[in-house]
Amino acid sequence: GENVEQHPSTLSVQEGDSAVIKCTYSDSASNYFPWYKQELGKGPQLIIDIRSNVGEKKDQRIAVTLNKTAKHFSLHITETQPEDSAVYFCAASRTDSWGKFQFGAGTQVVVTP
Amino acid sequence: DGGITQSPKYLFRKEGQNVTLSCEQNLNHDAMYWYRQDPGQGLRLIYYSQIVNDFQKGDIAEGYSVSREKKESFPLTVTSAQKNPTAFYLCASSLNSWEKLFFGSGTQLSVL
Repeated sequence: GENVEQHPSTLSVQEGDSAVIKCTYSDSASNYFPWYKQELGKGPQLIIDIRSNVGEKKDQRIAVTLNKTAKHFSLHITETQPEDSAVYFCAASRTDSWGKFQFGAGTQVVVTP
Repeated sequence: DGGITQSPKYLFRKEGQNVTLSCEQNLNHDAMYWYRQDPGQGLRLIYYSQIVNDFQKGDIAEGYSVSREKKESFPLTVTSAQKNPTAFYLCASSLNSWEKLFFGSGTQLSVL
């Protein structure tokens, strides 16, 4: 089955700097890669996603890149702000595998003023 | 506002007791899911349901049971057979089978 590895487990950045989180996946048939942000005591919220036919997607300060050959994808947050502090999860799924998202272990991001 | 409502937010279980976690959605989504979250780990799938009156085991279904009698509701019962139930439980739903999960705010279950 699919296995998703996520690095780093914790990330501390100065406000205004960029943050990058990387995930690798094992199943070459995976074709949908969402990123979720989870604040303390709350459920994860989808912040951006990418499909396998696209190499990069941006939404304001957030971007995701996908390298299908190397089977890894990354989340980039630019101009970080204190409200970006949270746990971020990557995930992978495939359209023929109903409900079978495989999640990374999460990255705790701390943005210090 | 449309969304997913989980209750209660905190739940305590005694030895040998079954407890039920509630999950209701008004997003008109066909698919619903239950995930378990342990500290420092990713989300693990317990059960999922594609349609009313149908559900499938996920990766860690042992000690859990579900029902899907209504489209809006997908309750999870943590049975006494689940020996390590302390965790944060998340319910989710999606319009399609494999994308854009919407999560509830979670239930923290602890053992007394």
